[in-house]
Amino acid sequence: DAGVIQSPRHEVTEMGQEVTLRCKPISGHDYLFWYRQTMMRGLELLIYFNNNVPIDDSGMPEDRFSAKMPNASFSTLKIQPSEPRDSAVYFCASSQGNQETQYFGPGTRLLVL
Amino acid sequence: KQEVTQIPAALSVPEGENLVLNCSFTDSAIYNLQWFRQDPGKGLTSLLLIQSSQREQTSGRLNASLDKSSGRSTLYIAASQPGDSATYLCAVSGGGGNKLVFGAGTILRVKS
Repeated sequence: DAGVIQSPRHEVTEMGQEVTLRCKPISGHDYLFWYRQTMMRGLELLIYFNNNVPIDDSGMPEDRFSAKMPNASFSTLKIQPSEPRDSAVYFCASSQGNQETQYFGPGTRLLVL
Repeated sequence: KQEVTQIPAALSVPEGENLVLNCSFTDSAIYNLQWFRQDPGKGLTSLLLIQSSQREQTSGRLNASLDKSSGRSTLYIAASQPGDSATYLCAVSGGGGNKLVFGAGTILRVKS
């Protein structure tokens, strides 16, 4: 398997623009997670899905952030409008089953100017 | 609210040395604990997962222990190599077992 795939790997945008991050989980995995990593706050869970259904979005910082999982092989994290403080590395991870090892993608490095 | 602390924040050792990384957590009601490795500019790689009912897990030169009652875990690396240089992250799960809370990590440098 190719592992968790994320695109784009790098994104530079201007404040106020819409940003869409994409993730393809490992085939057969039924859990998908979105994390954000910054120097100040470390790694934080934003939201996770089970069988395409959002289970816990308590980590989503504000209404500007939204995530969807239209099918088992694709998820998006959208920021609209983006702000400079959203600059971070965004990771997607997936796992097979509850409480199992999470496998991380390479991340998307986002810079909002 | 669960808090995870990792000590030390950074560690530099000569090649071949055995070393221990420490992780502590404030809420002992966890489902499992995972150790990850992160190389610069890369994603996380899972090293070991210890279920709450287990005391330790081993993989090659790595051994992780868990003392849930005291809220502590250690990652032991035997015969360290320059290729072990990376940031090591500890994470505990609660809230249904899937909500990982991460420590800030230990930056390890193994000198050749």
